[in-house]
Amino acid sequence: EAGVAQSPRYKIIEKRQSVAFWCNPISGHATLYWYQQILGQGPKLLIQFQNNGVVDDSQLPKDRFSAERLKGVDSTLKIQPAKLEDSAVYLCASSPVRYTNTEAFFGQGTRLTVV
Amino acid sequence: AQSVTQLDSQVPVFEEAPVELRCNYSSSVSVYLFWYVQYPNQGLQLLLKYLSGSTLVESINGFEAEFNKSQTSFHLRKPSVHISDTAEYFCAVTMMVGNQFYFGTGTSLTVIP
Repeated sequence: EAGVAQSPRYKIIEKRQSVAFWCNPISGHATLYWYQQILGQGPKLLIQFQNNGVVDDSQLPKDRFSAERLKGVDSTLKIQPAKLEDSAVYLCASSPVRYTNTEAFFGQGTRLTVV
Repeated sequence: AQSVTQLDSQVPVFEEAPVELRCNYSSSVSVYLFWYVQYPNQGLQLLLKYLSGSTLVESINGFEAEFNKSQTSFHLRKPSVHISDTAEYFCAVTMMVGNQFYFGTGTSLTVIP
């Protein structure tokens, strides 16, 4: 079974530029998460999708961050414009069960550096 | 709301010595509990989880954790650590019905030869 795929693995941009991350979850997984992991901290949820609908985006900075999940499969997370404090690892995860999240499977993450 | 506290940010331990990584959670409803491990430049991998049943759960590589409801804890233990156990360990909690995973701030385990 293929795992959660993310790209790119690394990205360096200047502040005020825009950037996009891509995630392909495990086939058949209904739930998709985007987490932000700042150095020295635990992952923090940015947005949770159930199929192609948003379940929770309460912690997503909507003035600069946006995310979509096309046709309930792949997902993209965009930052525009980026700030220095957006430097972090962005983790995508997926979960197979709709109403009971007994496990989340994580991708390797995208390390973003904003300079 | 749920929250997870990992009191120890760094734990150095000698090879073959025992280790305990502490995790406490706060929740007003029943939860599932997890330990994830993160190796350098890697994503999070599930180490073990408590869903129901026996309060003691084990992983395939010798780690175990015990769910203690009265103390709201889910401490991770290993009787004898190896160099390869050096990694970041995250405790996480989720509500039983479709919700996000809440993570602690992580414990960096360093095994010293």
